[in-house]
Amino acid sequence: GQNIDQPTEMTATEGAIVQINCTYQTSGFNGLFWYQQHAGEAPTFLSYNVLDGLEEKGRFSSFLSRSKGYSYLLLKELQMKDSASYLCAPSDSNYQLIWGAGTKLIIKP
Amino acid sequence: GAVVSQHPSRVICKSGTSVKIECRSLDFQATTMFWYRQFPKKSLMLMATSNEGSKATYEQGVEKDKFLINHASLTLSTLTVTSAHPEDSSFYICSAMGAAGGPDSYEQYFGPGTRLTVT
Repeated sequence: GQNIDQPTEMTATEGAIVQINCTYQTSGFNGLFWYQQHAGEAPTFLSYNVLDGLEEKGRFSSFLSRSKGYSYLLLKELQMKDSASYLCAPSDSNYQLIWGAGTKLIIKP
Repeated sequence: GAVVSQHPSRVICKSGTSVKIECRSLDFQATTMFWYRQFPKKSLMLMATSNEGSKATYEQGVEKDKFLINHASLTLSTLTVTSAHPEDSSFYICSAMGAAGGPDSYEQYFGPGTRLTVT
């Protein structure tokens, strides 16, 4: 079957670094997306990995290991506005995104 | 990035009435559009996938006669919730994807969502 595993909730301090891990199982694989979702809003795109390795984009970086079915999102220099849910969504053989419940990230001053 | 709009952003309707939600891709041609619903603190649930000019493919457990989807053009898909009931109250989100091989082909661009409340 298809499955996504992320921590339910994480807490970090403003200015710090946090890593959100994701393991997945899908029928086929066409890349993995990370989305940010603030409460009551639609998801917004953060990153896309299709090859193994690290993709860096400003304060956010995302890593993928296809052989391990593993990805992580790294957030640096945390800001209060980063408090949100972070969704790991791999794309299966039909290019459909597989969604988990996401990780709620709480940033404390 | 590409822009997807949804209308209305919020709607309140009475039980038994029908509500139409529009999803538009504003600056690219969306060959495929997806409709999701999301309950509070829950993950996105895919309801259906629609390809322009063809019938939508519904996920298991989603009533196609209740949730009517029309994807009549490359920039517009509509979701009509027919004979709405309070349990249909939810956050409905659409996303759009461009043609395979094109610049907008690998990413789903999300609309801002529609909050439906059925009283």
